[in-house]
Order: sequence, then C-alpha cells, then structure tokens
Amino acid sequence: DVKVTQSSRYLVKRTGEKVFLECVQDMDHENMFWYRQDPGLGLRLIYFSYDVKMKEKGDIPEGYSVSREKKERFSLILESASTNQTSMYLCASMELSRGLYEQYFGPGTRLTVT
Amino acid sequence: QQQVKQSPQSLIVQKGGISIINCAYENTAFDYFPWYQQFPGKGPALLIAIRPDVSEKKEGRFTISFNKSAKQFSLHIMDSQPGDSATYFCAASQNNNDMRFGAGTRLTVKP
Repeated sequence: DVKVTQSSRYLVKRTGEKVFLECVQDMDHENMFWYRQDPGLGLRLIYFSYDVKMKEKGDIPEGYSVSREKKERFSLILESASTNQTSMYLCASMELSRGLYEQYFGPGTRLTVT
Repeated sequence: QQQVKQSPQSLIVQKGGISIINCAYENTAFDYFPWYQQFPGKGPALLIAIRPDVSEKKEGRFTISFNKSAKQFSLHIMDSQPGDSATYFCAASQNNNDMRFGAGTRLTVKP
C-alpha cells in the first residue's frame, strides 16, 4: 500500500511566522505535488517536483517555496505566513499504475494563520 | 483562473438515480483526464481515468464520457448509492508532470 504522510493534521500559526509543512512518501515515486484546497475552488496546484532538487511552479506559487532534497520528502514552506494562507494543504505523489497515472494523497494539513 | 471548469458545485440525487458531473478544459495539450473521489477527512483517491484516444470508459457503475472536439468530459454514476456521497473532482494533466483539478462537486445521494 502506498503511504503518503504529512507532518501535522492541524497547525495554528501567527501572521509573519515561517511555516514548514512536511510530506513523505514510501513508494519511491518521482513526482510529488503540493495543493491547497479551499471551498468552491477545489484543489489548486502550488508546486510540483519531478525529481530530487527539481521544482516547478503551479498555478498559485506566490508566498510559497518548496524543497526536495531527498526523493521521498517534499516540503512546503510559507516564508511569512499570512491570514489568506489559511487553508487545507494536501500533498500527493504520483506513479504509473495499470497504464494510468495515479496520484496518492496524504490526509492533509489544516493550517490556520491568525 | 481555473484551467478545468467543473459543474455543478453540488448535486442531490435519489438512490438508484444517475449522477452526472461535467467538466470542460481549454488547454488542448492535456492528455490525461482522471476523476477523484474524496470523503470527509480524507485525501482524494483516484476513481477512474481516460485518455483522449477513447470516447468512453466504464468501470462498474462509473463511466467517463469524453468529447475531444468540445473539450468536455463527464462522469456518470449509474444506480447511485448513499455510499457514493462524496466530493468528486475532475482533473487534467499534460505529460503527466502536473495535474490541474476542477473546483469539485459535492454529491449527496438520498436513501
């Protein structure tokens, strides 16, 4: 079974704090993703990575950065948290299975910035 | 601006009925179209997917219909059951390096 774990289920931070969200997958997948999920907006892609030390911007990268030093770990960094970054953050890894590219999601981190 | 537009935002269907969710896209480079199902408190999970070389794919009660010329695709859930109540997301990707999701449809199947 593929497992994608995220470091926290719930997180409360103050405006201006630096926030690290960690994601680890145990299936040696090359592609990993960070999304934020907001009601009515679905999942919006923040960043993705297709290899160690490689990263690509998604649709809403502003205010975020990422780090992929090891294949199994993909970190999302909020350099200076703001209240509009309060959201559910979902990490995913992706593999080719039965001819389909399937993303496996972690349980999510609900971040509240006060 | 969302690259994949999904409708309706919410849907209520009687048990045994057909649920239909629609998606549209603009980027003709998209070459893979999955649907994900998400239950409360869980991350989305792959339900069914299609590539643009076929117009329909069926897996059990779930069918994707794909119209390449209209740049639209839809999910049909036949004989809808209360256990199907969840949020459904369509998505599209290009070269399998990224994935763009629709806004989601909250499906409620009434017993």
